[in-house]
Amino acid sequence: DTEVTQTPKHLVMGMTNKKSLKCEQHMGHRAMYWYKQKAKKPPELMFVYSYEKLSINESVPSRFSPECPNSSLLNLHLHALQPEDSALYLCASSPRADRTDTQYFGPGTRLTVL
Amino acid sequence: GESVGLHLPTLSVQEGDNSIINCAYSNSASDYFIWYKQESGKGPQFIIDIRSNMDKRQGQRVTVLLNKTVKHLSLQIAATQPGDSAVYFCAEINSGGYQKVTFGTGTKLQVIP
Repeated sequence: DTEVTQTPKHLVMGMTNKKSLKCEQHMGHRAMYWYKQKAKKPPELMFVYSYEKLSINESVPSRFSPECPNSSLLNLHLHALQPEDSALYLCASSPRADRTDTQYFGPGTRLTVL
Repeated sequence: GESVGLHLPTLSVQEGDNSIINCAYSNSASDYFIWYKQESGKGPQFIIDIRSNMDKRQGQRVTVLLNKTVKHLSLQIAATQPGDSAVYFCAEINSGGYQKVTFGTGTKLQVIP
């Protein structure tokens, strides 16, 4: 398995809803990432997990809560989001967590907040 | 702050011609660079990378050139095909923040059949 998978592909939620995004990789990568991408903009880093521990939080609002249950799985829990949070949410992974390495991206979850 | 930017937001190229996409970076500490291709509705796809101890790296139909003197990166695509139409991002990583990828603003490549 040489890919990063994300579910769901699309998600529509209200501002009072609680939902979760899921990311999975079976490449044995030890670093995993969440990015947010608005239309016609580059991806912006949100969180980094190294060896299943949160190592970087780019000042993301607490309505976004990441979780890394094991080395293959990364979740992003969403609660009380705002319409401006509508975006493409990308997950990525890289082989090593202790050196510069290529990050491989999933297809993303297109999130719409009503 | 440090940034990675591109000179051209949109590039139109005739099918079969070569394409050159440019990128300027400002963080002299960056030592690893990646080019990604992003098609509509998809995640970024790795194309080619280069480390700062190299000036040139070639892949299949693609070449990346790195000029550290002027902090410039370019992606050359040979014999451009319609399937190359996408947005291309350059990205940099520096050894001090090895997991933080900084993306450039992106260039949209349009291939004219």
